[in-house]
Amino acid sequence: AQKVTQAQTEISVVEKEDVTLDCVYETRDTTYYLFWYKQPPSGELVFLIRRNSFDEQNEISGRYSWNFQKSTSSFNFTITASQVVDSAVYFCALSDLYSGGGADGLTFGKGTHLIIQP
Amino acid sequence: NAGVTQTPKFQVLKTGQSMTLQCAQDMNHNSMYWYRQDPGMGLRLIYYSASEGTTDKGEVPNGYNVSRLNKREFSLRLESAAPSQTSVYFCASRADRDQETQYFGPGTRLLVL
Repeated sequence: AQKVTQAQTEISVVEKEDVTLDCVYETRDTTYYLFWYKQPPSGELVFLIRRNSFDEQNEISGRYSWNFQKSTSSFNFTITASQVVDSAVYFCALSDLYSGGGADGLTFGKGTHLIIQP
Repeated sequence: NAGVTQTPKFQVLKTGQSMTLQCAQDMNHNSMYWYRQDPGMGLRLIYYSASEGTTDKGEVPNGYNVSRLNKREFSLRLESAAPSQTSVYFCASRADRDQETQYFGPGTRLLVL
């Protein structure tokens, strides 16, 4: 069965600090996708990144970077030089293509509440 | 570009009342989904529809029914609301199997008293 674990329930840092959000996943499939979504205080879910299981290259987008390591089943998210606007709940999610009759949806972690203090 | 829209934004029900949550997408996506979000639980899949005319149960389908009215619209119905169904409901859509990204609506906050 699929499972996504975000062990950090809440993280609080001071603005301009770097912060890493951890995500560990479990799947039996060799083909799968990993995602990060942001949920700001306004409540909507904003797509940040998708990574497929065959692409282990790290990705950088501005102050955001993602580290995908299949060997440890982790897909961690780092924000460099954090800003108050980064304050949100961040969700890691997993989708596999061949779930053997399982539901065709995303399996979400429970989220990490990130608080950036000015 | 509206993307995924949901109505209503907020609703208060009494136990036993029924209601339908509406979802529509204008991205010509084949797959649509309903999730519920509860504090500390992340999002859990209620029902999904891989294409027009098909629906399937997700992780937490009990107490809900769905209708895929056409390619654009996917509704979620609570026949007899219970306090345990107090939650935030999100609708999402996805193009097809090769483009796994799901795009979410703004959510419907439901309170059952």
